[in-house]
Amino acid sequence: DAKTTQPPSMDCAEGRAANLPCNHSTISGNEYVYWYRQIHSQGPQYIIHGLKNNETNEMASLIITEDRKSSTLILPHATLRDTAVYYCIVRVPDFGNEKLTFGTGTRLTIIP
Amino acid sequence: DVKVTQSSRYLVKRTGEKVFLECVQDMDHENMFWYRQDPGLGLRLIYFSYDVKMKEKGDIPEGYSVSREKKERFSLILESASTNQTSMYLCASSKYDGELFFGEGSRLTVL
Repeated sequence: DAKTTQPPSMDCAEGRAANLPCNHSTISGNEYVYWYRQIHSQGPQYIIHGLKNNETNEMASLIITEDRKSSTLILPHATLRDTAVYYCIVRVPDFGNEKLTFGTGTRLTIIP
Repeated sequence: DVKVTQSSRYLVKRTGEKVFLECVQDMDHENMFWYRQDPGLGLRLIYFSYDVKMKEKGDIPEGYSVSREKKERFSLILESASTNQTSMYLCASSKYDGELFFGEGSRLTVL
């Protein structure tokens, strides 16, 4: 699996859009981009994933660049409950070879 | 809803003890994973399993073993616990091509 690079920390004002970047410059053509978040003292929670098209669900939007070397997770109206560590990973479902590595993620703090 | 249940939220063990961490999922997922999480190091993969009795080493398997005798259960075993294995342990499961679902974690302290 390709590795990802994320900034260690970010702040965002409550009510504003939080934009979390992820670099995955060595991603291969069949690898998906997944985002998870971990709120303190809980297990990580799935947010969204995509291959090459932009995706949106009730939690967030995912923007993947045309060359697929980077992506941005957008939380459109951040609330205090969005304070968490956000992880970006790349993954290709490969039976027997799901060695998923998470890295250290981005610690997002929502400022009141 | 998918549920991944880890047997203990908090454990305290002594150096040299054998430790079992149990994980059960109720959605018939093929894949199961064990991670450990330490401050500043993120989530590191210890072992994963893609089928009953099948296991693969992750990035930090030393000092650990695993067992998957039934599809729903994946156990992490510390044969002889050491203080450097004090950590938060997280279990996860997924379908072959689906997202991961994590348990709440087991915080192990080895004295």
